[in-house]
Amino acid sequence: KQEVTQIPAALSVPEGENLVLNCSFTDSAIYNLQWFRQDPGKGLTSLLLIQSSQREQTSGRLNASLDKSSGRSTLYIAASQPGDSATYLCAVSPIPNSGGSNYKLTFGKGTLLTVNP
Amino acid sequence: EAQVTQNPRYLITVTGKKLTVTCSQNMNHEYMSWYRQDPGLGLRQIYYSMNVEVTDKGDVPEGYKVSRKEKRNFPLILESPSPNQTSLYFCASSFSSFPLTGELFFGEGSRLTVL
Repeated sequence: KQEVTQIPAALSVPEGENLVLNCSFTDSAIYNLQWFRQDPGKGLTSLLLIQSSQREQTSGRLNASLDKSSGRSTLYIAASQPGDSATYLCAVSPIPNSGGSNYKLTFGKGTLLTVNP
Repeated sequence: EAQVTQNPRYLITVTGKKLTVTCSQNMNHEYMSWYRQDPGLGLRQIYYSMNVEVTDKGDVPEGYKVSRKEKRNFPLILESPSPNQTSLYFCASSFSSFPLTGELFFGEGSRLTVL
């Protein structure tokens, strides 16, 4: 059964700092990995989607990397801003017919990021 | 605007009173799913649907029902709500169904309290 872990559970940084959020998964048979952002009491917004054949994806100040063989992904946020404060979740999608559900993302519990002005 | 719309956003009800949470998407997506989010437990899938009239159980289906009679709508039905169903519920959709290759779009969430 796939398990996704995000460490740390919470992170507080001063504005302007570059930071890295971590995501690890136990089964490397993934089709893709997504990073989401969730603001308090709100829905999730997809930030980056990395296919299993890719090593990284970039969007503005965000860069996500994927090392499938070691079961790890990182989300790098450059020059953090108070508006980046939110919970960040990663989720993996399984390879079809690899033993798990083909129709479900497995989510980590998220990292609560606070960027202080 | 592409979106997933849930209603109601907030609801307080009492044990045993049937309720329905609606979900509608305007992106012609095949795949739709319901999740609940609880502190310390994260997001757990309740039910999902690969297309019209095709639904299946997720990880925590007990106490819930769904239907998919139209492509755009995927309502979540609580026939006899209980306090342990107090939670934040999310509907999500994706263009691709098998496999889940594409981006997942979420609704804003429905906060349900069962007294």
